Amino acid sequence: AQSVTQLGSHVSVSEGALVLLRCNYSSSVPPYLFWYVQYPNQGLQLLLKYTSAATLVKGINGFEAEFKKSETSFHLTKPSAHMSDAAEYFCAVSGVSGNQFYFGTGTSLTVIP
Amino acid sequence: DTGVSQDPRHKITKRGQNVTFRCDPISEHNRLYWYRQTLGQGPEFLTYFQNEAQLEKSRLLSDRFSAERPKGSFSTLEIQRTEQGDSAMYLCASSLVAGGGTDTQYFGPGTRLTVL
Repeated sequence: AQSVTQLGSHVSVSEGALVLLRCNYSSSVPPYLFWYVQYPNQGLQLLLKYTSAATLVKGINGFEAEFKKSETSFHLTKPSAHMSDAAEYFCAVSGVSGNQFYFGTGTSLTVIP
Repeated sequence: DTGVSQDPRHKITKRGQNVTFRCDPISEHNRLYWYRQTLGQGPEFLTYFQNEAQLEKSRLLSDRFSAERPKGSFSTLEIQRTEQGDSAMYLCASSLVAGGGTDTQYFGPGTRLTVL
């Protein structure tokens, strides 16, 4: 079975500081991993995805994530936070069949000016 | 805009009423998914279609819920005899799957249902 755990339901960073959002996965098969961002009252927007091509994945808006099999992690980072990054971030995993995604409970990012 | 669209964006109804939501996927996408998201939670899978065939349903999808995708294009999700516990954001996503491997799901803006 596939699942993800997002550590920290709320993260606050200062503008310009490093953003680190944590995601650990559990999967019985090589996973496909995704990060989505959700702004208030909107749907989910894909930030980036890991599909085994490269362990360091670069996404939109300056975000990147590194797949670490030994740690079963796929943490999301951004070197310098911007006010517009304030949103809810979801990590998701799908199995090889890709029939459904399993989402974490989300991390709410606050950026302090 | 060629993204996933959902209608209505908001729906307020009284307990016991029936509601129907519509999802229009990205035009060339063959898969369509429905998720439910409650406050403070991630989306939970409800069901998905490949073309017009409904291939999988979650246990969350009670008998009061029914989904259709009659021509393999748009989809509807109907909830009969709504309950207050049905209040949530209902998200639709679509993807293009060709051959093996996983797909990337693109989400619509959601329909927020409030049951009074």
